[in-house]
Amino acid sequence: DTGVSQDPRHKITKRGQNVTFRCDPISEHNRLYWYRQTLGQGPEFLTYFQNEAQLEKSRLLSDRFSAERPKGSFSTLEIQRTEQGDSAMYLCASSLALGQTLYEQFFGPGTRLTVL
Amino acid sequence: QKEVEQDPGPLSVPEGAIVSLNCTYSNSAFQYFMWYRQYSRKGPELLMYTYSSGNKEDGRFTAQVDKSSKYISLFIRDSQPSDSATYLCAMTEDTGRRALTFGSGTRLQVQP
Repeated sequence: DTGVSQDPRHKITKRGQNVTFRCDPISEHNRLYWYRQTLGQGPEFLTYFQNEAQLEKSRLLSDRFSAERPKGSFSTLEIQRTEQGDSAMYLCASSLALGQTLYEQFFGPGTRLTVL
Repeated sequence: QKEVEQDPGPLSVPEGAIVSLNCTYSNSAFQYFMWYRQYSRKGPELLMYTYSSGNKEDGRFTAQVDKSSKYISLFIRDSQPSDSATYLCAMTEDTGRRALTFGSGTRLQVQP
């Protein structure tokens, strides 16, 4: 499968624990996005990378959240000291960025986080 | 108030019906308009996108954008039970970031 993959698909954790999610984008895509989707809502932008550089972080991304994309390949999203409000689906998307042309963002299946 | 408003539904129609889905938005800087389909517990899948105002047709799907009214629509002709999903509108500015702003999604159920 050459699409975007995310691991794990489901994560249940207790409040206060740290969790880390992984996203593997489509191999030739230089741009990677993280979104969060809560029940009954559309995805909300969290952050994005161009190659290994993190270019923007949403105000939704509190200091408990950190994302990395070493070597411009896979990305990880870590949440420290999880809170019940962090329960959501975390979606990763990748795309090409070439000049001003808009290329499709391909989404992964998401990681569903439940904080007890 | 959210930047993008979308009726959450659910919308239930009989098989073969024409379905109309729509979104309104407030940010006049939005230039790209997209419709995604999301099945339960899956990631969104792009159906169509349109740049600026106008219509675009792809098979049974037609997307319309009216920037003067800040209103976009997706029409599905000859709807099928397999079209049952949540439909999300999404928009982005004509800048480098391309981060998408989504509506809350409309849940569609096509009854056989």
